[in-house]
Amino acid sequence: EADIYQTPRYLVIGTGKKITLECSQTMGHDKMYWYQQDPGMELHLIHYSYGVNSTEKGDLSSESTVSRIRTEHFPLTLESARPSHTSQYLCASRSGNTIYFGEGSWLTVV
Amino acid sequence: LAKTTQPISMDSYEGQEVNITCSHNNIATNDYITWYQQFPSQGPRFIIQGYKTKVTNEVASLFIPADRKSSTLSLPRVSLSDTAVYYCLVGVALDTPLVFGKGTRLSVIA
Repeated sequence: EADIYQTPRYLVIGTGKKITLECSQTMGHDKMYWYQQDPGMELHLIHYSYGVNSTEKGDLSSESTVSRIRTEHFPLTLESARPSHTSQYLCASRSGNTIYFGEGSWLTVV
Repeated sequence: LAKTTQPISMDSYEGQEVNITCSHNNIATNDYITWYQQFPSQGPRFIIQGYKTKVTNEVASLFIPADRKSSTLSLPRVSLSDTAVYYCLVGVALDTPLVFGKGTRLSVIA
């Protein structure tokens, strides 16, 4: 079983607030990903990283930003949250051909 | 990453065998085929992976014909708890981002 953790699991914040979603993995994987998924809808890749100091944007444009200062951590930040950012955010890491997902962070912006 | 095509949805009764086929006409020589399962409000989880012929584990079987341009995930005797979205991913290139398609939404009916 993979060890990849996301916090918070659930969060309700007001419009305009800054929020950082944390993602940590203890497996030493270089490749990490952030996906956004609305209920019943497709998984969209919004950011990915191939290692420390490497970050790229995914196929879905996102107003969020990410950083990769350490291999274990891949946090996602929204500088000014809006109701359109309400969604589930899933973090993942990869080893070879297998992807491991965290349990997700449900963000609601009111 | 090789483009894949799957049925959008499938229905099945409990106890039946379900086969979900994925087309990947431009699969590369080094590409593996990996299937993931996603329950509502959770991240996708690995089900099975194969390169050619047949692979079987405790959850499913994966059939891959000789030309490898398609693959079939077989779920034996499904139950209500198998209701989920199933994704087929193809590709091993470590410098490509992992993009999930729409997947196949399987509904198991009592």
